[in-house]
Amino acid sequence: QVQLVESGGGVVQPGRSLRLSCATSAFTFNSYGMHWVRQAPDKGLEWVAVISYDGSNRQYADSVKGRFTISRDNSKNTLYLQMNSLRAEDTAVYYCAKDHRSRIQPEGSFDYWGQGTLVTVSS
Amino acid sequence: EIVLTQSPATLSLSPGERATLSCRASQSVSSYLAWYQQKPGQAPRLLIYDASNRATGIPPRFSGSGSGTDFTLTISSLEPEDFAVYYCQQRSNWPPFTFGPGTKVDIK
Repeated sequence: QVQLVESGGGVVQPGRSLRLSCATSAFTFNSYGMHWVRQAPDKGLEWVAVISYDGSNRQYADSVKGRFTISRDNSKNTLYLQMNSLRAEDTAVYYCAKDHRSRIQPEGSFDYWGQGTLVTVSS
Repeated sequence: EIVLTQSPATLSLSPGERATLSCRASQSVSSYLAWYQQKPGQAPRLLIYDASNRATGIPPRFSGSGSGTDFTLTISSLEPEDFAVYYCQQRSNWPPFTFGPGTKVDIK
């Protein structure tokens, strides 16, 4: 059974950093693009970042560009999101999500999601 | 950036009724549109990909149609577990991948 398990969330002060992890299992991690999607409290879904299967292509939402970095360790089947210069508006549940199909470039339909990890940015 | 709008914002129906949800794109997304279901406290679940293809394990009462800028998700006969929020999402032109604001289907 495909599993994605996020960790690393918590309460952090504005301007500080946090790193999220997404541990995966039961699929060929190094064949799929992976994404981070967030959801602010009682709001809709916002795509945050994507990384291709081999890490060669990374793209970001404008709202996080220059502050967040997506990465992956294919030897550990784990996805990461390094979040720097955090702002109050970054407060959200952060989900990692798997591309539906294995492609050279990210595909962009998300067939498996983690349970989410809550990041709260507050002084 | 492609903007997706969904209507209605809320749909109040009874179990057994037919639900018709709409998603409109600000420019053509061809058939590169997905639908997700989200229940409170849960992660979203992929229902439909590429406008009309049901994801693995999704019951046939869920169907998707449309292409270009206008799309529809239909639930033929609502089951109690179908009351949730539904989001459309495009993958035609990225970054960014974009989601619609959601349609809440609640019990009348």
